Amino acid sequence: EPEVTQTPSHQVTQMGQEVILRCVPISNHLYFYWYRQILGQKVEFLVSFYNNEISEKSEIFDDQFSVERPDGSNFTLKIRSTKLEDSAMYFCASKPTGYQPQHFGDGTRLSIL
Amino acid sequence: KNEVEQSPQNLTAQEGEFITINCSYSVGISALHWLQQHPGGGIVSLFMLSSGKKKHGRLIATINIQEKHSSLHITASHPRDSAVYICAVRSAYGGATNKLIFGTGTLLAVQP
Repeated sequence: EPEVTQTPSHQVTQMGQEVILRCVPISNHLYFYWYRQILGQKVEFLVSFYNNEISEKSEIFDDQFSVERPDGSNFTLKIRSTKLEDSAMYFCASKPTGYQPQHFGDGTRLSIL
Repeated sequence: KNEVEQSPQNLTAQEGEFITINCSYSVGISALHWLQQHPGGGIVSLFMLSSGKKKHGRLIATINIQEKHSSLHITASHPRDSAVYICAVRSAYGGATNKLIFGTGTLLAVQP
């Protein structure tokens, strides 16, 4: 069964550095999402992406964050200057059409030192 | 106040027991999801429902739209069912791209 793939599984970065988290959504999917989960807390929405543009973003998704779908297969989340509080598990998700379930990747654990 | 509340937060059961996890929400929704998260973090979608009841194997999910409440039942529980079970809702507003709003999850431990 096709699945959403995220790399790396664990990323350790120094505070202030840029980090790019990568996702390969399922190939015929049209809607893409990033969520994050701080350790011990609930999953929170960051951003949704459709038709090559952001369709919705949360208050968390400030100017330090950006998303791209550079080549029609990858979907990336960039954090420009990481902070300690960016340490979390980041999940990518995709779905084929509007009212279908989202499929989640296994997540990238981001640790900021 | 959280828009999605789950109970209980933690649940320990003996193998074979019937398990119920509850979810209440305060927003208008177009769909409700039940998700499973294993240690190590990966999230798997179990059900998406907008009315009535769905069954898959030993899992049953029900929703009452009028009462803004859903339940996830596990029959004949097994230690491999041990995981965090998460309720998430899709708002009725915002169209097809709409985000999911998550509950805090229920940590289930099934002991042999």
